Amino acid sequence: NAGVMQNPRHLVRRRGQEARLRCSPMKGHSHVYWYRQLPEEGLKFMVYLQKENIIDESGMPKERFSAEFPKEGPSILRIQQVVRGDSAAYFCASSGGTPRSGNQPQHFGDGTRLSIL
Amino acid sequence: KNQVEQSPQSLIILEGKNCTLQCNYTVSPFSNLRWYKQDTGRGPVSLTIMTFSENTKSNGRYTATLDADTKQSSLHITASQLSDSASYICVVSNQAGTALIFGKGTTLSVSS
Repeated sequence: NAGVMQNPRHLVRRRGQEARLRCSPMKGHSHVYWYRQLPEEGLKFMVYLQKENIIDESGMPKERFSAEFPKEGPSILRIQQVVRGDSAAYFCASSGGTPRSGNQPQHFGDGTRLSIL
Repeated sequence: KNQVEQSPQSLIILEGKNCTLQCNYTVSPFSNLRWYKQDTGRGPVSLTIMTFSENTKSNGRYTATLDADTKQSSLHITASQLSDSASYICVVSNQAGTALIFGKGTTLSVSS
């Protein structure tokens, strides 16, 4: 399967715990994007990363949320001290070219459903 | 405020019929507009991407149009199939192309 892989598909955490969401981009893609989808809402941009660099994190909450895309391994979205409001579907997408090119489709994974008890 | 509004919110049609979904946006400056299909429980799948200079783009039975002057786009689905049942999402990219602004989607149900 050469698509974007996200795991786990479902994650349950208690309030105050940490959640780690992983995303392996499509082979050859070096641009990764994270989005959050609340029930009955559209996807909301969180952060855009290239290998080892955060390019745009304008959509990510300033506290408790962090993202990385190391030289080796998947991209990680980390949520510390989770609260009930963090319950959502988190989608990762990857692309092969720079966003400025205008015609690069973003290929999405099937998301991680995070539930906070 | 950058917004993407879609209509109708939901739509039910019979198999074999055509339908058109609408998208209005206020994103400025604007780079490109995309239509995605999202099946329940899955990630969005790209259907079309149009830059501001393109008026129409087709992908099989899907045809998207764009009027950059009025900031409107439409997605026309021809000869609908049961597998077309999904949420169709209009997405507008800012000029930098880094952030995508998503509409809430139109939920299409195709019945036999």
